[in-house]
Amino acid sequence: GDSVTQMEGPVTLSEEAFLTINCTYTATGYPSLFWYVQYPGEGLQLLLKATKADDKGSNKGFEATYRKETTSFHLEKGSVQVSDSAVYFCALSDRLNQGGKLIFGQGTELSVKP
Amino acid sequence: NAGVTQTPKFQVLKTGQSMTLQCAQDMNHEYMSWYRQDPGMGLRLIHYSVGAGITDQGEVPNGYNVSRSTTEDFPLRLLSAAPSQTSVYFCASSPRGVTSGSTGELFFGEGSRLTVL
Repeated sequence: GDSVTQMEGPVTLSEEAFLTINCTYTATGYPSLFWYVQYPGEGLQLLLKATKADDKGSNKGFEATYRKETTSFHLEKGSVQVSDSAVYFCALSDRLNQGGKLIFGQGTELSVKP
Repeated sequence: NAGVTQTPKFQVLKTGQSMTLQCAQDMNHEYMSWYRQDPGMGLRLIHYSVGAGITDQGEVPNGYNVSRSTTEDFPLRLLSAAPSQTSVYFCASSPRGVTSGSTGELFFGEGSRLTVL
């Protein structure tokens, strides 16, 4: 079945460092891809998304490009801040959105030190 | 602008007790779902619903029951709590599929932390 694999955490960076969190997927058809962020003590909120190959999602300085040839959707940010400390989840959905179901990766905890 | 509301936020149960986690959304979304979050395992789908009166099982349905009598509400029932059900539970909703412009994004509640002793 469909699945999502993320790089393991926790990841610890200094402020202003470059961030990459790897995400690869296996899926039949053409899924939509998402990055969700969970700040401490809160629910998940959508960070960015891409719905077809070569689309680039971006928000709050984060970017990810939907790469069909490598089945990847890596999250990047050029300069992280302490406020970016959170858990990041990569997810995919069937492009027809049958039932509003997402398949999540295991999550990557990011800690940014001043 | 409430979105998805879950209650309670925290609950402690003893093994064998039953309880219901409440979930309500005010966005008129057709789809609703329940996930559990466990360390190192991401979020796993318990049950989902594509509309009032229609529910189906997800990846980890055992020990849980759901019903959907209205578009707004989607309660999750624990029939006989077990320590393995200690987790954080998230309810989510989304509009119907791509024909209505949806791209699969889910809107999440803030979560319910359940501890079973």
